Amino acid sequence: QSVLTQPPSVSAAPGQRVTISCSGSSSNIGSNYVSWYQQLPGTAPKLLIYENNKRPSGIPDRFSGSKSGTSATLGITGLQTGDEADYYCGTWDSSLSAGVFGGGTKLTVL
Amino acid sequence: QVQLVQSGAEVREPGSSVKVSCKASGDTFTNYAITWVRQAPGQGLEWMGGIIPVFGKANYAQKFQGRVTITADKSTSTAYMELSSLRSEDTAVFYCARTGVEKVLGYYLYSYMDVWGKGTTVTVSS
Repeated sequence: QSVLTQPPSVSAAPGQRVTISCSGSSSNIGSNYVSWYQQLPGTAPKLLIYENNKRPSGIPDRFSGSKSGTSATLGITGLQTGDEADYYCGTWDSSLSAGVFGGGTKLTVL
Repeated sequence: QVQLVQSGAEVREPGSSVKVSCKASGDTFTNYAITWVRQAPGQGLEWMGGIIPVFGKANYAQKFQGRVTITADKSTSTAYMELSSLRSEDTAVFYCARTGVEKVLGYYLYSYMDVWGKGTTVTVSS
């Protein structure tokens, strides 16, 4: 059971937009920055979004992040088949004094 | 280009220990933390713990407390994760990741993980 809650799967057609939610509590998302990671099959995770809505160099602006209260959302526009991956949200939990992840969301581009 | 180079795959018997290394380049050891993440086959990411090499103090997830030891050798810019009392459920890929550090109200918390190692597969089997 993950501390952060994500939908197990989402799907959309190429070119469409999809959002992935991440729900937490006041001790984690509610009081700390959220980051998002993309994990392509058989590879290490890759940072997509940090500090709720910032993109590292090289990440296209098709990827966006937002946070409101104790929830965060990853948005992906102009879906491509290469976006098929598992996506994870992560943050720090101040009560646990530990990092926490969501359970991951598998994105399928139909 | 910052890199984290992890040690190779390991096979261990149940009840034994394994020690995985993660060698960092660049300014990783002076300005960042190193976090260790476990991923069992077909499962999600699990935060195990981390260390801020400048301070040498490690944080551990409650689930792994007492079984995991994370250390850092500043002279070689290498972090280590040792997991003991191995069981079959510990079969997984273990990643190290360079992690930002924030100082909040006098204490340090771990932020985003921007550089990841390729992972080390540990198989626990008799």
